[in-house]
Amino acid sequence: EPEVTQTPSHQVTQMGQEVILRCVPISNHLYFYWYRQILGQKVEFLVSFYNNEISEKSEIFDDQFSVERPDGSNFTLKIRSTKLEDSAMYFCARQGGTEAFFGQGTRLTVV
Amino acid sequence: SQQGEEDPQALSIQEGENATMNCSYKTSINNLQWYRQNSGRGLVHLILIRSNEREKHSGRLRVTLDTSKKSSSLLITASRAADTASYFCATARTNAGKSTFGDGTTLTVKP
Repeated sequence: EPEVTQTPSHQVTQMGQEVILRCVPISNHLYFYWYRQILGQKVEFLVSFYNNEISEKSEIFDDQFSVERPDGSNFTLKIRSTKLEDSAMYFCARQGGTEAFFGQGTRLTVV
Repeated sequence: SQQGEEDPQALSIQEGENATMNCSYKTSINNLQWYRQNSGRGLVHLILIRSNEREKHSGRLRVTLDTSKKSSSLLITASRAADTASYFCATARTNAGKSTFGDGTTLTVKP
């Protein structure tokens, strides 16, 4: 069973629409992260979430983005008013000790 | 230059040969991790090495860390066609801190 499950695996959305990407970190850990990887580029840190609060965010993580852990299990990344340049692979990760476990990612395509 | 730069950018070898990839970084770190990514897929954690460690082994993988030179290397011995993938190093400055990824090395192993 994977450590981190992300849904959907692929989402296509119209520019300007809102999307919610979901992550289920199976183990009960406190640290969670979202990363983004634009096609052919490096993986970039977006935000870290500790004890149900944002602990750190990058310059990429502007007002367009938000994160929540609404029910203590699912961990969501919301992107409001998507832009073409938001097309990327989005990875959720959880920290287990010092090792980070990544999900398989959600490929977001904005058209 | 950015934190976590790998070289070479691309490496092509024959099955059975060894593959060596290098990673350099700029700031002090708590740990360094190596990941593999098959095209369009998620990140698979390979090995973690802490700042007080110099070498770690896992199967056909050998990772070294030289904190004085701020560099790490990943050696894959007796490579197989299935090792064809992109390999990334990622550094973390604290125990549960965000990971900062390099640009990656694309490894092609020819059968």
